[in-house]
Amino acid sequence: NAGVTQTPKFQVLKTGQSMTLQCAQDMNHNSMYWYRQDPGMGLRLIYYSASEGTTDKGEVPNGYNVSRLNKREFSLRLESAAPSQTSVYFCASNLGRGWEETQYFGPGTRLLVL
Amino acid sequence: SQKIEQNSEALNIQEGKTATLTCNYTNYSPAYLQWYRQDPGRGPVFLLLICENEKEKRKERLKVTFDTTLKQSLFHITASQPADSATYLCALRNSGNTPLVFGKGTRLSVIA
Repeated sequence: NAGVTQTPKFQVLKTGQSMTLQCAQDMNHNSMYWYRQDPGMGLRLIYYSASEGTTDKGEVPNGYNVSRLNKREFSLRLESAAPSQTSVYFCASNLGRGWEETQYFGPGTRLLVL
Repeated sequence: SQKIEQNSEALNIQEGKTATLTCNYTNYSPAYLQWYRQDPGRGPVFLLLICENEKEKRKERLKVTFDTTLKQSLFHITASQPADSATYLCALRNSGNTPLVFGKGTRLSVIA
């Protein structure tokens, strides 16, 4: 089992460019999440998908879109990248069955927007 | 407003001592609280989960307490080792079907 995988590992964009961050999990999890992590700000939730076919906004959704392509895959799209979106992006997943659910994280994508 | 505060951004301790990290929360009513470890350049990894009915939980050299009256969890690492150096995050959810919310983390450095 690979767990949660993310591609790419690192990306440099120019302001205004678009890109899609890919995430996949092989644990048959129902719920998937996208977080960004910035120094001094901790992990902040961008979007999540509680189950296949649903998506919801998190704390910081502006400037992002998501697609739950199927049960395994959840992508994050930046339509017009801005320097403020320079961050480390983490995808996570879990079974989505309640209070005691723990989170499984991917290795992260480091994004630099110039 | 809702807050999760890990009161130390960084903590330095000597090898062999006990490290104690604090997580305080405001305007949440979690039934469970979780602790994660994050190494540089990697995603967080789950360590321990404690339920509101448990006062204390242990796993090897790790111990977590959860006081719902004080709205606080303490995370202890006994006989600390340089390999314990990492950032430790607490996390909770306000209901069974809402996403986890994370504290900003405490960066622990264990000095040999």
